[in-house]
Amino acid sequence: GQSLEQPSEVTAVEGAIVQINCTYQTSGFYGLSWYQQHDGGAPTFLSYNALDGLEETGRFSSFLSRSDSYGYLLLQELQMKDSASYFCAVRDQANSGNTPLVFGKGTRLSVIA
Amino acid sequence: ETGVTQSPTHLIKTRGQQVTLRCSSQSGHNTVSWYQQALGQGPQFIFQYYREEENGRGNFPPRFSGLQFPNYSSELNVNALELDDSALYLCASSLAGREGHGYTFGSGTRLTVV
Repeated sequence: GQSLEQPSEVTAVEGAIVQINCTYQTSGFYGLSWYQQHDGGAPTFLSYNALDGLEETGRFSSFLSRSDSYGYLLLQELQMKDSASYFCAVRDQANSGNTPLVFGKGTRLSVIA
Repeated sequence: ETGVTQSPTHLIKTRGQQVTLRCSSQSGHNTVSWYQQALGQGPQFIFQYYREEENGRGNFPPRFSGLQFPNYSSELNVNALELDDSALYLCASSLAGREGHGYTFGSGTRLTVV
């Protein structure tokens, strides 16, 4: 089976930098993804790491260390609109081909002025 | 490029009834997954369809069933509704072999069982 651990809540100041950590346990590993979900909205894809290292997309970066079963999402120059829930997700080894995503419980980020 | 659309957006059903939720996948995507999301929780994987066949299932009972059609649209059926089935049901489409591009989610159907 799989399990993912991430903090339930994080609060940060507008303009600051925040890091949301995720540790995972899986029987296999096919990549770590991050999704953002605003209240009442659909989860939207942010990033995907299959290999160790840092992936940067604008103000968002995602990091992966496969040896530590650990990753994080880094949000820079925080804006009020970044207030949302952030989910890490891993793919399940149970099926070949297009394996399904398993999500963590999410981290609720509140950006304050 | 069209996104993922789900219908209806909201639904109220009585315990014991049956419900069908619908999803139209993003153009070009051949895989659809269904998730249940309780309030304040992460999406829980129900099942996945590829080429009209179920090719993955989460920890949900058989009264949760689905279909994928040749045009890659999909249905989620739930029989004998229980109060705990109240949740947001999300449909996500993707392209097999292109997982790095992520899943595209619909806005969901909010199901309330009373």
